[in-house]
Formats: sequence, C-alpha cells, structure tokens
Amino acid sequence: RKEVEQDPGPFNVPEGATVAFNCTYSNSASQSFFWYRQDCRKEPKLLMSVYSSGNEDGRFTAQLNRASQYISLLIRDSKLSDSATYLCVVNTEVLTGGGNKLTFGTGTQLKVEL
Amino acid sequence: EAGVVQSPRYKIIEKKQPVAFWCNPISGHNTLYWYRQNLGQGPELLIRYENEEAVDDSQLPKDRFSAERLKGVDSTLKIQPAELGDSAVYLCASSQGDTSEGQYFGPGTRLLVL
Repeated sequence: RKEVEQDPGPFNVPEGATVAFNCTYSNSASQSFFWYRQDCRKEPKLLMSVYSSGNEDGRFTAQLNRASQYISLLIRDSKLSDSATYLCVVNTEVLTGGGNKLTFGTGTQLKVEL
Repeated sequence: EAGVVQSPRYKIIEKKQPVAFWCNPISGHNTLYWYRQNLGQGPELLIRYENEEAVDDSQLPKDRFSAERLKGVDSTLKIQPAELGDSAVYLCASSQGDTSEGQYFGPGTRLLVL
C-alpha cells in the first residue's frame, strides 16, 4: 500500500462548481498534513495546512479524520485559475536519523472549464 | 524575501555524461531537501540536510548520485554517469527547522538525458 494515496483525476468541473478531493495515508503516526498546489511545469506551493479541527481559507476547506486516516480538500465556487494539480502531503517522524519527512501523493489534477 | 534559487533551469545531456544542479535555500532555513519528480508523480525525497549534515539519504542512489552542502547553505546534487531513467525534474526545497510548517520549493531543474 502506498504511504499516501490520491485519485489522479482529472476532475473536469464547470466554473462555479464545488469540488472535493480525498487522500488516504497509511502511517497512523503521521503528525501533520498539508495540501500543496502545483501548476503545470511549476514547483509545488503550499496551499494550506490541515488541522484536526478542520480549517478554512476563503473558498478552500481542509479536513482531517485521524481515525480513518483520511484528508480532504473542498473548493467552493471554482475559478478557472484553480486549475492545477493538488498534492496531498503527510509529515511523519523519521525514526532513524531523526527529524521529519514529507511524503507526497501523486496529486489530483483539476480542470475548471467555462 | 528571495525564494529558493536553483540553477540551471533546464539541462539536456547525453547518457553517461555527468551533470550537477545547484540550490540556494531561503535565508535562515537550516534544512534543505533534494527531490526528484517524474511526470505524473509527486516529488520523491532524495536527501535531506540539517545544516551541513546529511541526515536522511536513504533514497539517494549512491552508485551514481552524490550531494554536498559544505557550509550549511548552498547545496549541489551531482549525477555521474547519467542514465536515461534519470530524466526528471530535480527540486530543491528548504524549511526552517522541521517540516511542521511545510517546505518551500525552488523552480526545479528539468533534466533530459538522451
């Protein structure tokens, strides 16, 4: 089983639609979670952290369910500019060598259309 | 504030040739990461530095890949000799301390091995 699993998509949605992405992770000891956005031929950029209580940033809402090892990202009122790949990222403590490690999912591609 | 800087942005070489990538992290970020990203995949960690010490190089193919961060700031990743399968985007990222607040990526070096 992959450490972080996402549906690769693509998700093709009309402008103004609400779209949700899901992600599951395998390591129950994972400590923190993020969503990154990656535009075509660009580097990943941090979109938002994901907290147990859920968090919202404008049109974006992230949720974490530790019991089910499941993370979600909801985008409301989709814009053309939201078209990108959304990467689910899990932060886990490294037992040997110390520190933490970010593990990236393969990403979910979103295409917002007129 | 300047972001993570990488050079070159693009590199085309023939197989068996050597190649080197350079990264300058965000000022004050003591942790530096090198990732490789293949098409349609998320970034995969190659090596992580805490200051000048490589604390996680378990995913670095040591027969042909090497990296250094001599003064705990800039870093170089080298491949010698390059193989066709090394064609990918090589991303450098940095963070201040651990990854609990995410990482910041450079624009990457797009390598094509012919």
